[in-house]
Amino acid sequence: DAGITQSPRHKVTETGTPVTLRCHQTENHRYMYWYRQDPGHGLRLIHYSYGVKDTDKGEVSDGYSVSRSKTEDFLLTLESATSSQTSVYFCAISESTAIWSAEAFFGQGTRLTVV
Amino acid sequence: EDKVVQSPLSLVVHEGDTVTLNCSYEVTNFRSLLWYKQEKKAPTFLFMLTSSGIEKKSGRLSSILDKKELFSILNITATQTGDSAVYLCAVDHTGNQFYFGTGTSLTVIP
Repeated sequence: DAGITQSPRHKVTETGTPVTLRCHQTENHRYMYWYRQDPGHGLRLIHYSYGVKDTDKGEVSDGYSVSRSKTEDFLLTLESATSSQTSVYFCAISESTAIWSAEAFFGQGTRLTVV
Repeated sequence: EDKVVQSPLSLVVHEGDTVTLNCSYEVTNFRSLLWYKQEKKAPTFLFMLTSSGIEKKSGRLSSILDKKELFSILNITATQTGDSAVYLCAVDHTGNQFYFGTGTSLTVIP
């Protein structure tokens, strides 16, 4: 299995509080991604990173920010959590490049509940 | 707008049946199409397809891509209860972003 660790695995938080999810990889892959998975929507991309301090928005980025200060760590922050952000969050990594495509490997997921 | 559409949304079959799952796509700058299996946890990689007409096989699973008609199929022969899962199709397009369909839920009854 690809070396991807997400923390925490489960979290319950209150509306309006900040929340940070962490993704740590040991594969030295350049690309890292944060997805959320909701019934009826499949996996939707929130943000992704293509290197240290290089990040970009995905299709559902509103209300989320990310940071990548080291190759191995990619943080997802909900600045002020809302109930609509209750979801399962997956981190993924890939060694795709500009020239060739490679598969993405997923972490075990974080179940976040905002009450 | 980019999109990946999977069909059917759900499927119930008996052990031993053969199933075909469909994935059609409309994306700019297509690079590859990927299939994943998800069993109540992280999606696990099955296949990556980049060229039309070349079948990828792994045991009872196989997949093929048609880049002219913009679709792929995933076949599972002699299904087993362990094949019960959600099967996800994803497309890698410009910027190394993986765009996913909503998945097909497969239930195999003993």
